[in-house]
Amino acid sequence: DAEITQSPRHKITETGRQVTLACHQTWNHNNMFWYRQDLGHGLRLIHYSYGVQDTNKGEVSDGYSVSRSNTEDLPLTLESAASSQTSVYFCASSESAGPHEQYFGPGTRLTVT
Amino acid sequence: DAKTTQPNSMESNEEEPVHLPCNHSTISGTDYIHWYRQLPSQGPEYVIHGLTSNVNNRMASLAIAEDRKSSTLILHRATLRDAAVYYCIQLRNDMRFGAGTRLTVKP
Repeated sequence: DAEITQSPRHKITETGRQVTLACHQTWNHNNMFWYRQDLGHGLRLIHYSYGVQDTNKGEVSDGYSVSRSNTEDLPLTLESAASSQTSVYFCASSESAGPHEQYFGPGTRLTVT
Repeated sequence: DAKTTQPNSMESNEEEPVHLPCNHSTISGTDYIHWYRQLPSQGPEYVIHGLTSNVNNRMASLAIAEDRKSSTLILHRATLRDAAVYYCIQLRNDMRFGAGTRLTVKP
C-alpha cells in the first residue's frame, strides 16, 4: 500500500545545530507540504512543493528550507535550530492541482534545547 | 484571509449523531470546504470536502449552506473512536488550519 513516512519520529537537538527531517511518500504525488503544530494549536504551513525542483514558502518559512530533487522526497532543513522551533512537524502529500485531499505522515517531534 | 470559525469544543453521546458547525464568511466562489480530523498523537486525516452541494462518504456527510458562508459536518453515529479535533478549512491557495473543534464522545 502507498504511504507517507517521516523520520526520525523523535529528535532532540541543541540550539544552533542544523537539523534535517525526512519525508518520503510512495503515492507518486506531485504536491508535498511541511507543517508545524505547536502544543494546543492547529497546523501552520512551512513550505510546499508542486513538483520536482519547485519549492514555495508558506506561512511560517523563516529558519526553514526545503529542496525537491525527486517526486518521493521533501526533506525539511532547520539551518540553525532555535528553541522556538520546538514543535511537531507533519509532512503531507496530495495529487496535482485541484482540491485533492492531503495525506499526512505520522509526524516528527522535535525538541531544541 | 481564508479563515474559518468553529466552536472550541463539543460533546456527544456514543451512537448519537453529531453536527459540527463551521463559519466561513469570507469564502469565494472557487474555495472548497475541507474537513480533516486529528486523533491524539496522529497526523490529520482527511474526512470530506465539497464546493456547493451536500456531500456524503463512508465517514461523514457535509451540509453546505446555500450562501456557502457556513457548513456542517455530520457524523451519523458517533463512536468513541471519533473523539478527535475536527478542522474546517476554506481551501484557497493553501490549507490554513485553525484551532478546530475538540469532539468528546461519551459512552
